[in-house]
Amino acid sequence: NAGVTQTPKFQVLKTGQSMTLQCAQDMNHNSMYWYRQDPGMGLRLIYYSASEGTTDKGEVPNGYNVSRLNKREFSLRLESAAPSQTSVYFCASSGQGQETQYFGPGTRLLVL
Amino acid sequence: AQRVTQPEKLLSVFKGAPVELKCNYSYSGSPELFWYVQYSRQRLQLLLRHISRESIKGFTADLNKGETSFHLKKPFAQEEDSAMYYCALFTGTASKLTFGTGTRLQVTL
Repeated sequence: NAGVTQTPKFQVLKTGQSMTLQCAQDMNHNSMYWYRQDPGMGLRLIYYSASEGTTDKGEVPNGYNVSRLNKREFSLRLESAAPSQTSVYFCASSGQGQETQYFGPGTRLLVL
Repeated sequence: AQRVTQPEKLLSVFKGAPVELKCNYSYSGSPELFWYVQYSRQRLQLLLRHISRESIKGFTADLNKGETSFHLKKPFAQEEDSAMYYCALFTGTASKLTFGTGTRLQVTL
């Protein structure tokens, strides 16, 4: 039981490049989330998926898109990376009716 | 709108000293509050939640609705407590959590 996994662990991009961050969970959770973590800003919700087939914007969605591929997987895409998107990205999941979220190990993204 | 405030970015204490990490919230509904901890370069993990009213690793937190606070306390700090601590408010919709900006606890000898 791996919990929540994320790939890649670290990525360097040039401004304008695109990439997809992958997230998967094996806990049969309905809800999945993408956050970014920045110094002094805490964790801010980018997008979330309350259940398979649905996605909604969070606090800071601009510049990102998401896909809930199936119940297990929730990907985050940067179509045209900008230096302001340099951050640590965390994926999380939670079960139906459960308030506790379980986090992945994070992806460190550097946009030059 | 919901909001979580952690006024201290950094809290530095000596080993064996008491610790109090402050958290205040703003929410019109019935609050459910959590403390998450992130050790160096690791993932966030749940430390405790107010509903369970338990003590984890010696930490406790009491929800004070009158003062809209959920401060995290420990009577005697240990070196291994050094980490980033986030207070979070559960708002019900799609099980969303609103996080505070975090407090880094540094325990020194």
